[in-house]
Amino acid sequence: DTAVSQTPKYLVTQMGNDKSIKCEQNLGHDTMYWYKQDSKKFLKIMFSYNNKELIINETVPNRFSPKSPDKAHLNLHINSLELGDSAVYFCASSQEGRVTGELFFGEGSRLTVL
Amino acid sequence: QQPVQSPQAVILREGEDAVINCSSSKALYSVHWYRQKHGEAPVFLMILLKGGEQKGHEKISASFNEKKQQSSLYLTASQLSYSGTYFCGTERGGGFKTIFGAGTRLFVKA
Repeated sequence: DTAVSQTPKYLVTQMGNDKSIKCEQNLGHDTMYWYKQDSKKFLKIMFSYNNKELIINETVPNRFSPKSPDKAHLNLHINSLELGDSAVYFCASSQEGRVTGELFFGEGSRLTVL
Repeated sequence: QQPVQSPQAVILREGEDAVINCSSSKALYSVHWYRQKHGEAPVFLMILLKGGEQKGHEKISASFNEKKQQSSLYLTASQLSYSGTYFCGTERGGGFKTIFGAGTRLFVKA
């Protein structure tokens, strides 16, 4: 049973298109995240959601719109894709307390914008 | 705000030891360590909390100097399976936001 699963694993698309990535966790965690890892391997936080509510938005362009229909799901929709959006997008979940617990990452979704 | 990791890369022979450092210019509440193998997701190794509490891996140890906002990860008697990129992640309190360093690439050769 995969704890955090993302689909699709690979996306190849043209500039200007719109794409979505879906994420689901079966760990019962109340917090989910999107991280972006670029070609230099920098792992940068984009969004945090706690019980479906947006908690952190790290100055991500508004072309990126996350949505959490329930606390087990967090999706990411990207409009008007640009070359610089090419990266691996990781979904993660954790059980929040006074400090973030262990982050469980999904396998990643590799987005290539041509 | 991003923590600084050093060294950027390390090459070891099997059985050798390594230390990876992580420092921040801001006061920290916790430090996390993760390992990422090529083409895979980062995997949790350890968390160190302000006040000395630690949770994580049995074979890997770490320290957290709260006053200096520094943490070190100690890899002893390295194995081939230790190869990968090690990331430290820092939190300033309040949760929901772990900021990762640029990573340290570790290569262990036979």
